[in-house]
Amino acid sequence: GAVVSQHPSRVICKSGTSVKIECRSLDFQATTMFWYRQFPKKSLMLMATSNEGSKATYEQGVEKDKFLINHASLTLSTLTVTSAHPEDSSFYICSARDLRRGNQPQHFGDGTRLSIL
Amino acid sequence: AQSVTQPDIHITVSEGASLELRCNYSYGATPYLFWYVQSPGQGLQLLLKYFSGDTLVQGIKGFEAEFKRSQSSFNLRKPSVHWSDAAEYFCAVGRDMRFGAGTRLTVKP
Repeated sequence: GAVVSQHPSRVICKSGTSVKIECRSLDFQATTMFWYRQFPKKSLMLMATSNEGSKATYEQGVEKDKFLINHASLTLSTLTVTSAHPEDSSFYICSARDLRRGNQPQHFGDGTRLSIL
Repeated sequence: AQSVTQPDIHITVSEGASLELRCNYSYGATPYLFWYVQSPGQGLQLLLKYFSGDTLVQGIKGFEAEFKRSQSSFNLRKPSVHWSDAAEYFCAVGRDMRFGAGTRLTVKP
């Protein structure tokens, strides 16, 4: 079946550094990818919708300069957390929608645990 | 605007007992509805989905859910819970997948 690969699965870095997270659709083309953030023991919060070849659409309250999203191809979207601080520590999950299957649900990656020291 | 509510934050059931997790939604038309399960530190696994047609939906791992338009509900059920079912369960609505707050399931031996 369709698979979404998210990398890295875990990253620990110092405050002030920038971190890039990749989301790849492995065996299907995804015009639309979604980025979610999940706080401990909380639900998934939609951060932004990433459309191939155009600017991402950010949800209210999400800083677009803080969370840079690039969706340069039909199989890859990246989320860059710029100048990360401890409050950015969280579990980030991406998902992708299969172009060929318009009414099918999104496929989720396994998430990236980001820890900022 | 689309929204989804999971009224129960935490449910504990005994192994072998039946389970029902509640989900209520607010949506202008017939919604796309989903149930996902998440084990600790893991990603999401789709249990089942409803787009149209038969209102009783069968999913993986013995789960089912029933879409009730009159009650704006899409409750998840399982007749006999196994210890491995302990996890966090999320209901979601819409093609852009708005999630409920989740229900944590604990299974007692």
